[in-house]
Amino acid sequence: SQELEQSPQSLIVQEGKNLTINCTSSKTLYGLYWYKQKYGEGLIFLMMLQKGGEEKSHEKITAKLDEKKQQSSLHITASQPSHAGIYLCGADLFGTGTASKLTFGTGTRLQVTL
Amino acid sequence: NAGVTQTPKFQVLKTGQSMTLQCAQDMNHEYMSWYRQDPGMGLRLIHYSVGAGITDQGEVPNGYNVSRSTTEDFPLRLLSAAPSQTSVYFCASSLPLGGGRTEQFFGPGTRLTVL
Repeated sequence: SQELEQSPQSLIVQEGKNLTINCTSSKTLYGLYWYKQKYGEGLIFLMMLQKGGEEKSHEKITAKLDEKKQQSSLHITASQPSHAGIYLCGADLFGTGTASKLTFGTGTRLQVTL
Repeated sequence: NAGVTQTPKFQVLKTGQSMTLQCAQDMNHEYMSWYRQDPGMGLRLIHYSVGAGITDQGEVPNGYNVSRSTTEDFPLRLLSAAPSQTSVYFCASSLPLGGGRTEQFFGPGTRLTVL
């Protein structure tokens, strides 16, 4: 959706390197959800951010929501081959406070080389 | 718990045929949604439901019907299949846990081809 821009579209990084994926909207991100999708499979929920300035981490993945609540970033530290896949951001742009009606970015395809 | 299940995994239809994509969840989630995923376009919301008996349209509802007679099931009906409906369809269910936390799961998807 053009309402949610995700960058870069694809990324190839060497194992052990850090990387950042961005998700930007001109609208308020009432809730921002990050997912990982393995090729040909369903989406796996990673993290959800709701408050401006919020930051969450799980293992080597950190997600942040800016103070204005219009941009989020996903940072992977010391990438591993297991991090390869498609990363998608989904946003509650309607203020439902739920994950029932999300608008998604087009995804970032991540490859991790040895 | 089986989580979110979708059937079938693959389906080929001819133009004009109708069919129902099944989605079920066993987590007592209030919210359920149907998305389609097309190359270069991300996921787009077709229909969603905030509880049994309550459904609403998403971004791309034309050509699809839904109903939610039980909390567990949320079938998606294609009324008269068209080649433009060739896509991968995902069902999702979720429950807000409060305090900014949510529990959400996606099904494995149904890959549909319309000839």
